Amino acid sequence: AQTVTQSQPEMSVQEAETVTLSCTYDTSESNYYLFWYKQPPSRQMILVIRQEAYKQQNATENRFSVNFQKAAKSFSLKISDSQLGDTAMYFCAFMKPLGTSGSRLTFGEGTQLTVNP
Amino acid sequence: DAGVTQSPTHLIKTRGQHVTLRCSPISGHKSVSWYQQVLGQGPQFIFQYYEKEERGRGNFPDRFSARQFPNYSSELNVNALLLGDSALYLCASSLGGRQPQHFGDGTRLSIL
Repeated sequence: AQTVTQSQPEMSVQEAETVTLSCTYDTSESNYYLFWYKQPPSRQMILVIRQEAYKQQNATENRFSVNFQKAAKSFSLKISDSQLGDTAMYFCAFMKPLGTSGSRLTFGEGTQLTVNP
Repeated sequence: DAGVTQSPTHLIKTRGQHVTLRCSPISGHKSVSWYQQVLGQGPQFIFQYYEKEERGRGNFPDRFSARQFPNYSSELNVNALLLGDSALYLCASSLGGRQPQHFGDGTRLSIL
């Protein structure tokens, strides 16, 4: 079974600064995907960024980037130029493909990020 | 384009009752997954369906069941409700396989 650990229950950052959220995972799988989702108070889970385990290059989406260390099983999220709208709960998630058409996500416990003006 | 839609948004039930939650996936998505999110925790995987067949099941009791219809919409059924079933139930859809899952706003289920 896979486990995902987010060791920072809460973090805060000043607007326009950079913050890094940590995530580690444990798996014996070789083929998997990693995601960061954000969940604002409106409660909808929004996909932030995706990383394929077989890719060496770290994924980037605008102000969001990851540091993927496969050997260390580490997958951190860096948010640059933080904005007030980034305030949300952030979840790290591991996706295991199930055959040709199935998949399941395993989530961490989440990190509550607050961006202060 | 419409995202994943779930109904109802909020539901209050009493112990022992039965509940049905509904989900409509993004147009073109054939995979639907269900997750339970207890307050203060990350979501837990319940079921995944693709082309009307169950492709994955999490560690939930048999009181939980689901199905997917020909139009790819889905229902999650929970029988004999317990206080511990109080949670946000999230539905996610995807094109299937390795494609990312996109979530709806969830149904908040409260058990009295």
